[in-house]
Amino acid sequence: DIVMTQSPDSLAVSLGERATINCKSSQSVLYSSNNKNYLAWYQQKAGQPPKLLIYWASTRESGVPDRFSGSGSGTDFTLTINSLQAEDVAIYFCQQCYSAPSTFGQGTKVEIK
Amino acid sequence: QITLKESGPTLVKPTQTLTLTCTFSGFSLRNSGVGVGWIRQPPGKALEWLALIYWDDDKRYSPSLKSRLTITKDTSKNQVVLTVTNMDPVDTATYYCAHSRIAAPGVFDYWGQGTLVTVSS
Repeated sequence: DIVMTQSPDSLAVSLGERATINCKSSQSVLYSSNNKNYLAWYQQKAGQPPKLLIYWASTRESGVPDRFSGSGSGTDFTLTINSLQAEDVAIYFCQQCYSAPSTFGQGTKVEIK
Repeated sequence: QITLKESGPTLVKPTQTLTLTCTFSGFSLRNSGVGVGWIRQPPGKALEWLALIYWDDDKRYSPSLKSRLTITKDTSKNQVVLTVTNMDPVDTATYYCAHSRIAAPGVFDYWGQGTLVTVSS
């Protein structure tokens, strides 16, 4: 199985500041045939199911605010939240869909400082 | 719009078999590329991918749980069923079903609210 490791486990950011979450896969999730990274990011607020934010590492899901962005390729990926808002308090998970079984990172908790 | 809802028992005893049903609307499992998956989350822990079934009845399972899992679909009822045999307290979790994005298989763009299953005698 591909192991997904996120860092940090938690972070506290002031309102309006930037939050950066890293995700590293134990092997590349880049499909050379289409040059797409099979990496997604989800946001999970307390008591709610996960919500898809980003797929193919950097494609924002429809309706997701543009302060959320994804970057990276191969094995190293980043989710950036620019100008953190109070409603962004949540746990964020990365997921690889490159090979079965799909696997998730352990999650990163984002709080307000 | 697409919606999914999980249903099943909230409490099962160790060694029993869990049967969960995902009832969905807004899409059909008859259509090419469509898939529905099951993911679980123990309290306070990370997400764990369990199984996925596609429109053509292609089925994928988590290797670590494959011997205990069965996923099936009933396209006429718009339902996907997951069975988990030999339940153990470590299987206590919220179980989610989710729609797999057609253009990005395995990416879940719509989720049910989840159902908490507790395993206890």
